[in-house]
Amino acid sequence: GAVVSQHPSRVICKSGTSVKIECRSLDFQATTMFWYRQFPKKSLMLMATSNEGSKATYEQGVEKDKFLINHASLTLSTLTVTSAHPEDSSFYICSARTGMDQPQHFGDGTRLSIL
Amino acid sequence: AQSVSQHNHHVILSEAASLELGCNYSYGGTVNLFWYVQYPGQHLQLLLKYFSGDPLVKGIKGFEAEFIKSKFSFNLRKPSVQWSDTAEYFCAGVGNQGGKLIFGQGTELSVKP
Repeated sequence: GAVVSQHPSRVICKSGTSVKIECRSLDFQATTMFWYRQFPKKSLMLMATSNEGSKATYEQGVEKDKFLINHASLTLSTLTVTSAHPEDSSFYICSARTGMDQPQHFGDGTRLSIL
Repeated sequence: AQSVSQHNHHVILSEAASLELGCNYSYGGTVNLFWYVQYPGQHLQLLLKYFSGDPLVKGIKGFEAEFIKSKFSFNLRKPSVQWSDTAEYFCAGVGNQGGKLIFGQGTELSVKP
């Protein structure tokens, strides 16, 4: 149980385009979903926390107009990288949990490459 | 400030060697602690977690961790590693009031067959 599906797994696109990444909890309802960014040989950096039906809470230094997060249902959250540039190239990972005292379950991640 | 730190960046062991990966945390109150593993090309998976109770926590695949409050530590151990344990290991913590999960820097474990 506790499977989180992330799509797409890899995307390559031109600079200036917008890219949407989906995160779904397949067999549980996720009250909270998280979006992380992972740089090579680095730890995960939390970008934002989203609760279903509310606005996402962004970490300091993360541009909310650049990284749009929508958590429309208890099983789906989306991250849209708007007007992507090469420096946005990274590995983006989502996670979901059922409650505050529950562990997070992670998706497989999305490798984003901006040319 | 809340933080989680892992001392070892890269550990190289031979099969059957014993493993201990260090993790220290800094939290103002009660903390919930986790160890996650990321095998090459795969997503993060939960190895074990500590919320309360017995400070010696047993996880999957023969791993265990001990919560030592006086040392602010939550080290991961395995008595005998296998080649298949080669992966990146992350210690993480969250305050018991919820809040965000804070990850350590990660430790890359390479097990030589």
